[in-house]
Amino acid sequence: GAVVSQHPSWVICKSGTSVKIECRSLDFQATTMFWYRQFPKQSLMLMATSNEGSKATYEQGVEKDKFLINHASLTLSTLTVTSAHPEDSSFYICSATRLAGGLPSGELFFGEGSRLTVL
Amino acid sequence: GESVGLHLPTLSVQEGDNSIINCAYSNSASDYFIWYKQESGKGPQFIIDIRSNMDKRQGQRVTVLLNKTVKHLSLQIAATQPGDSAVYFCAETFFGYQKVTFGTGTKLQVIP
Repeated sequence: GAVVSQHPSWVICKSGTSVKIECRSLDFQATTMFWYRQFPKQSLMLMATSNEGSKATYEQGVEKDKFLINHASLTLSTLTVTSAHPEDSSFYICSATRLAGGLPSGELFFGEGSRLTVL
Repeated sequence: GESVGLHLPTLSVQEGDNSIINCAYSNSASDYFIWYKQESGKGPQFIIDIRSNMDKRQGQRVTVLLNKTVKHLSLQIAATQPGDSAVYFCAETFFGYQKVTFGTGTKLQVIP
């Protein structure tokens, strides 16, 4: 089945540094990927839609300069948390839909998530 | 640090019993609904989906019911097993749209 891989699965960084998280679709192409954030005991909240070859679309309240998204190829989207602070500590999850005949197949595949801890 | 989290509603079920997890969705225009299972420290895993032109769909040990009148979804798990212990989320979207909105989630605890 289709697989979405995230790297790293966990990362600890110092306050003020930047952290990059990768999301790859391993056996299919994804023109669109999604980035979610999940705090403990809470649901997944959509942060942004990553579009291959164009700018990401951010949800209301998500700072685009804080969370930089790059979707440079049909199989890779990256999320960079810039100048990370402890409140950015969270579980970041990406998702992608496999295209079928040029259209989204309807099934979303999620990555395993990346746990960010900012000290 | 991280936000203080809400406590997820918890459903405790004896192993072998049936489980029913409920969800209220928000957008009456949504036409595609999905249930996900999330184990601790992992991403959501697709369980079953249903389109708005149906009111029931069955999978292996799972059944999803949709009541559009009251914007309600339920997930029924037959013969619940310890491996079913996880947090379950419903999600709503438009078919083919890819962008989904997740519900608040329910933690299922299976008592051996």
